[in-house]
Amino acid sequence: RKEVEQDPGPFNVPEGATVAFNCTYSNSASQSFFWYRQDCRKEPKLLMSVYSSGNEDGRFTAQLNRASQYISLLIRDSKLSDSATYLCVVNDGRQGGKLIFGQGTELSVKP
Amino acid sequence: DAGVIQSPRHEVTEMGQEVTLRCKPISGHNSLFWYRQTMMRGLELLIYFNNNVPIDDSGMPEDRFSAKMPNASFSTLKIQPSEPRDSAVYFCASSLDQINLSEAFFGQGTRLTVV
Repeated sequence: RKEVEQDPGPFNVPEGATVAFNCTYSNSASQSFFWYRQDCRKEPKLLMSVYSSGNEDGRFTAQLNRASQYISLLIRDSKLSDSATYLCVVNDGRQGGKLIFGQGTELSVKP
Repeated sequence: DAGVIQSPRHEVTEMGQEVTLRCKPISGHNSLFWYRQTMMRGLELLIYFNNNVPIDDSGMPEDRFSAKMPNASFSTLKIQPSEPRDSAVYFCASSLDQINLSEAFFGQGTRLTVV
């Protein structure tokens, strides 16, 4: 089983749609969770951290379910500029530990 | 803030040649990571350093790969000898305090092609 698993997609949605991405992780000791965004042929960049109580940043909402070891990202009112690959990132639970990236979910927003 | 700086941006080399990739982390960051990205395997962590000391190199594929961090502002990833299967984008990233599990900032990557 991979340490971090995501549906690779692609997700093809029209502008204005709501889209949700899911991610599962295998290490119950993991403490920190993030969503990164990667545009084609660019480096990954932090989109948002994921907090235990869930958090929202504009059109983006992240949720964490520790019991199920599951993370989600919801994008509302999707824009053409949201087209990218979204990477779920989990730390390995150790002090000074490493960040483990999922394979990414590709999103394509169409006019 | 110049961000994480990698060089070269692109490298094309012949099989068997030595390749050296370079990285300058963000000033003040104490953790540095080397990742490799391919279509087939996604983003893989090769090695990471904390305070210039290698912490985990379990992702380094084989002895042909080596990494150094002689000081807080510079790191290299070397492949000797290179093979076509090493073709990938190599990213360097740094973070301020990995103990507190802060975010990683990535460089623009080095696109390596081994022919």
